[in-house]
Amino acid sequence: EIVLTQAPGTLSLSPGERATLSCRASQSVSSSSLAWHQQKPGQAPRLLIYGASSRATGIPDRFSGSGSGTDFTLTISRLEPEDFAVYYCQLYGSSYTFGQGTKLEIK
Amino acid sequence: QVQLVQSGAEVKKPGASVKVSCKGSGYTFTNYVMHWVRQAPGQSLEWMGWINAGSGNTKYSQKFQGRVTITRDTSASTAFMDLSSLRYEDTAVYFCARLPTFGGAFDVWGQGTMVTVSS
Repeated sequence: EIVLTQAPGTLSLSPGERATLSCRASQSVSSSSLAWHQQKPGQAPRLLIYGASSRATGIPDRFSGSGSGTDFTLTISRLEPEDFAVYYCQLYGSSYTFGQGTKLEIK
Repeated sequence: QVQLVQSGAEVKKPGASVKVSCKGSGYTFTNYVMHWVRQAPGQSLEWMGWINAGSGNTKYSQKFQGRVTITRDTSASTAFMDLSSLRYEDTAVYFCARLPTFGGAFDVWGQGTMVTVSS
């Protein structure tokens, strides 16, 4: 089973700063099967990125995804107050696995 | 608009079963695969299984094989997740999420259903 490891566990930044979140797979995966979700307390996850780099409908362009093979990155170019949440990477397609999450908190 | 609406919170005793529903609206129900994912308090997300809403085919995580059954009622555009032999560690929020049969990711999620296992 492929394991997704996210880093860091917690990221403390200020509004306006750039956030870089990492997701590493235990073996090479298809880029077309890597997604990122955002989850706020008490809410369901929300799809941000699919296919490693495609933004979901309605997602602002400050969110971008990149990577291939085993290393993937979610970048938020300029943090807005509403971006502080937990972010999960997810593998989908032949298997369905989530990373343990990165909590993005206000510094 | 497209939405998935789940049934309400449940409290069950150890050893009992729970059945959670997920009603889709605003889209063609049978064009999607419905997945079930759970989240224990303070934990990450854990995939449980899926049902192809069109064909009725299912696939379950090995972890839940034998305890979980996912079904659907196409006339009601509703999917169901039945978890049996409940244990304290099954206390979690259970989500449904749809995946297009033609490709894509979990693009719409239900609001979640809290299941508490308590004696």
